Amino acid sequence: AQSVTQPDIHITVSEGASLELRCNYSYGATPYLFWYVQSPGQGLQLLLKYFSGDTLVQGIKGFEAEFKRSQSSFNLRKPSVHWSDAAEYFCAVAAGYGNKLVFGAGTILRVKS
Amino acid sequence: GAVVSQHPSWVICKSGTSVKIECRSLDFQATTMFWYRQFPKQSLMLMATSNEGSKATYEQGVEKDKFLINHASLTLSTLTVTSAHPEDSSFYICSASDTYEQYFGPGTRLTVT
Repeated sequence: AQSVTQPDIHITVSEGASLELRCNYSYGATPYLFWYVQSPGQGLQLLLKYFSGDTLVQGIKGFEAEFKRSQSSFNLRKPSVHWSDAAEYFCAVAAGYGNKLVFGAGTILRVKS
Repeated sequence: GAVVSQHPSWVICKSGTSVKIECRSLDFQATTMFWYRQFPKQSLMLMATSNEGSKATYEQGVEKDKFLINHASLTLSTLTVTSAHPEDSSFYICSASDTYEQYFGPGTRLTVT
């Protein structure tokens, strides 16, 4: 069975600082990996996804993530955080295209000015 | 881009009544739709997967007689919470898949009094 671990429940960074959100997955085959962002009371917005190919993927809003098979990780990064990035971020894994998603517990990002 | 709508966006109902939530894919045909539930400050938990014209597949621990899912067409799925109780109060999010990706609706906040 697939599972996702996001070890950080809360992260606080200063505006303009760099950001890395951690995600580790467990899945026996090649995973389909996703990062979503959710603002309070809202649905989910896809930031980026990895299916295959280049292990460094670029997403929207200046985010990127790197797939590391040896570490079973798919960490999300952003070089300079903006106050509008404050939200909750979810890492998710699926077994294939259009398959059900298994979500991590989420990481709440706070941005201080 | 693919758009998924949910209606209503929020609903308050009395204990013992039933509530229907609609999920529509507005500009694409969804081969599969998913229903998730999110408790406050928690992650999304998959409730069920539905394919057009067939019975929904429920996740372990989800009462199928309480959470009725109908996938009447390639653009519409409904979730009916029957005999709702306060513990059913939650944020319900649907997603629609075009085989390659899931697109999320904005969510429905259900409060049972």
